[in-house]
Amino acid sequence: AQSVTQLDSHVSVSEGTPVLLRCNYSSSYSPSLFWYVQHPNKGLQLLLKYTSAATLVKGINGFEAEFKKSETSFHLTKPSAHMSDAAEYFCVVSVSLPGTYKYIFGTGTRLKVLA
Amino acid sequence: DAGITQSPRHKVTETGTPVTLRCHQTENHRYMYWYRQDPGHGLRLIHYSYGVKDTDKGEVSDGYSVSRSKTEDFLLTLESATSSQTSVYFCAIRGDRGFSYEQYFGPGTRLTVT
Repeated sequence: AQSVTQLDSHVSVSEGTPVLLRCNYSSSYSPSLFWYVQHPNKGLQLLLKYTSAATLVKGINGFEAEFKKSETSFHLTKPSAHMSDAAEYFCVVSVSLPGTYKYIFGTGTRLKVLA
Repeated sequence: DAGITQSPRHKVTETGTPVTLRCHQTENHRYMYWYRQDPGHGLRLIHYSYGVKDTDKGEVSDGYSVSRSKTEDFLLTLESATSSQTSVYFCAIRGDRGFSYEQYFGPGTRLTVT
């Protein structure tokens, strides 16, 4: 069965320092993985996606994630945090079954950026 | 922008009343989803649809029903609202171009049941 675990519910970083948001997944198949961002009182926006084409995936706003099959991880990173990065981030794994497609969400990591 | 709208955007209703939320998309996507978002739970799937009149349950479907009579509209109904259904509801479509099939989300509906 597929599942996803976000290891930190809250992360605080200072502006200009690196960001690391951790995600581990469980999947019986080669998964598709996604990171979404949600700013306060907003909808969800796709940051990046992994689809087996390349293990290092670059997304919008300077974020990237690396797929590590041996560690079943898909951690999200950014070299230098900006105040506008303060938001909630969700790691998602897709589930493909005959005739249907579902997505399993992690419980989210709230990123706080300190001035 | 996948052309997804939700209505209403905010609603306050009383316990026991029926409520219908609407999701509308403009790009003929086959798959549509309803989620609820609650603190500490991420997004949880309520129901989804894989075509007109084709729907199935998600992990938190009790107390909810859905209908999809045309491709562009996916309706979520709370037959008799309860306070535990106070939540933010998101509609999503599954992209169907390329190989990754990511989801795109509507702006959400904030529902309060008093």
